[in-house]
Amino acid sequence: DAGVTQSPTHLIKTRGQQVTLRCSPKSGHDTVSWYQQALGQGPQFIFQYYEEEERQRGNFPDRFSGHQFPNYSSELNVNALLLGDSALYLCASSLMAAGQSNSPLHFGNGTRLTVT
Amino acid sequence: SQELEQSPQSLIVQEGKNLTINCTSSKTLYGLYWYKQKYGEGLIFLMMLQKGGEEKSHEKITAKLDEKKQQSSLHITASQPSHAGIYLCGADQAGTALIFGKGTTLSVSS
Repeated sequence: DAGVTQSPTHLIKTRGQQVTLRCSPKSGHDTVSWYQQALGQGPQFIFQYYEEEERQRGNFPDRFSGHQFPNYSSELNVNALLLGDSALYLCASSLMAAGQSNSPLHFGNGTRLTVT
Repeated sequence: SQELEQSPQSLIVQEGKNLTINCTSSKTLYGLYWYKQKYGEGLIFLMMLQKGGEEKSHEKITAKLDEKKQQSSLHITASQPSHAGIYLCGADQAGTALIFGKGTTLSVSS
């Protein structure tokens, strides 16, 4: 049973560039959430996708956008990269119908993004 | 907005010793989740608590949620090197996305 998989594992970009991160949810899950974790901090919620729509969004600028595909996989796009965007980006999946109490988030190992 | 504060920020314990990590919320918790993270890796789900006074155990780890549902503790008995990592508490408010504390870094010396 494959868990949550993310690609790439590491990425180095220059300020002003754009980046796309990818996530495949755990088998049987239909909801994908993205988190940003800066060094020494807890994960910060970016947004959540269900049925190919953004359902909830955290306090992140419009430079952060996403997409969910019919197979439930998801992408996170960040435009006009800033040095402060350097972080570990975590994808988590769950099953919406089960509710959060019965379907806790399952996390991938993340993508380490470095902006120079 | 809800905030979660974890204490201590970090701790070092000798192998075999017991330890406790606390998580305090600024608002009543609907659900409290404990995760463990190895440095630079994803989060591993440990336990979830929902009811005031609830207590759950898994192997040598016990988590409790107080009656008022604003504070949780994670207790590790007879710590082992495998317990080392970052422990994060997460909370939701009735269907909202999980928010997390900053984490507690645990080191276990042998």
